[in-house]
Amino acid sequence: DAGVIQSPRHEVTEMGQEVTLRCKPISGHNSLFWYRQTMMRGLELLIYFNNNVPIDDSGMPEDRFSAKMPNASFSTLKIQPSEPRDSAVYFCASSPRGHNSPLHFGNGTRLTVT
Amino acid sequence: SQQGEEDPQALSIQEGENATMNCSYKTSINNLQWYRQNSGRGLVHLILIRSNEREKHSGRLRVTLDTSKKSSSLLITASRAADTASYFCATDSEQIFGNEKLTFGTGTRLTIIP
Repeated sequence: DAGVIQSPRHEVTEMGQEVTLRCKPISGHNSLFWYRQTMMRGLELLIYFNNNVPIDDSGMPEDRFSAKMPNASFSTLKIQPSEPRDSAVYFCASSPRGHNSPLHFGNGTRLTVT
Repeated sequence: SQQGEEDPQALSIQEGENATMNCSYKTSINNLQWYRQNSGRGLVHLILIRSNEREKHSGRLRVTLDTSKKSSSLLITASRAADTASYFCATDSEQIFGNEKLTFGTGTRLTIIP
């Protein structure tokens, strides 16, 4: 089991550029979550999918953020255009369907927008 | 806003001592989970305790839950240098399609002094 795989591990970009973060969940897990972590705000849930369908995107900060899950093994989080305040560590996590199932996190993408 | 608040924010102890971290939350829950995060890595699930349980053990970890006080504690016995990490509690604020929507606390930064 390779775990949740995120890429890239680090991303440095200039303000205004498009950023795409990628995630491969654990095979067989039906739920996928995108979190953002900053010192000021801690861990924030941005969006989560169940069976590839977005269930709740109320945590997405604004229209510049979008997420897709075209199939069970891949998801993207896109920021367009990026701003310095988007700098954070973005985590993807997956969990199997059912009650009381722990989340399995990837190692995150550290995004720096200059 | 954060559902869970950990206390203390930071804790430093000598190797071999026990470490206790506390978590308080605001609304009724179905279960509470504890996670560990090493520097630069994703969160790792440690233990889950259901609302009808009062205590749970896993190796050197002991978790208690007091639903009347809306609080939980995580005890790490005989601490080791490798236990140095941040520890987060997470509560399920709602459930959709059988999967928790977890909300994470602010974390306790634990440092074990060799």
